Amino acid sequence: DIQMTQSPSSISVSLGDRFTITCRASQDIGNYLSWYQQKPEKSPKLMIYRATNLEDGVPSRFSGSRSGSDYSLTINSLESEDTGIYFCLQHKQYPLTFGGGTKLELK
Amino acid sequence: EVQLVESGGGLVQPGRSLKLSCAASGFTFSNYYMAWVRQAPKKGLEWVATISTSGSRTYYPDSVKGRFTISRDNAKSSLYLQMNSLKSEDTATYYCARQGVALRAYVMDAWGQGASVTVSS
Repeated sequence: DIQMTQSPSSISVSLGDRFTITCRASQDIGNYLSWYQQKPEKSPKLMIYRATNLEDGVPSRFSGSRSGSDYSLTINSLESEDTGIYFCLQHKQYPLTFGGGTKLELK
Repeated sequence: EVQLVESGGGLVQPGRSLKLSCAASGFTFSNYYMAWVRQAPKKGLEWVATISTSGSRTYYPDSVKGRFTISRDNAKSSLYLQMNSLKSEDTATYYCARQGVALRAYVMDAWGQGASVTVSS
């Protein structure tokens, strides 16, 4: 099974800051990586797919990138509505596996 | 508008069974793989099952293989999850999710609101 190691597990960030979350894949997943945002008591929402593609309606301050086996989600100029938990998902092969999540809070 | 509405959750005793349903609307259900994903209280997301467009192929992680069965009725635009031999560790919110196509292939691009399942005596 492919393991997705996500970091950090939690962080407090100030409004307007730039912030990056990373998922490291234990095997090659060839950009088959998506990112999700989850608000309290809500279902997850797709933000980025295929590592770098912004989902329709997602603000352009969100972006995805890849460096080797590390996949990153970056939020430029954090806004209050960006708080929540972020998860990565590899969909290269079954079993599909999620990262452990990153809880993003405001300072 | 894409909508996925789960139902059938509740409290069930260990060892018993429960069947979840998901009613889909706003898209051509038969064109999409569908999945179930669960989230234990205060925990992360865990993929539980996927079914192909026709229902001929199903996929499960080891944690539920042999106990859970995913199925679909394309005529009714409905997805199901039959859960047998339930354990306390199956306690979670269960989400129905659409897996996308083309560039979004296998991506969970739409989610339901979730159905809560509690396994306890």
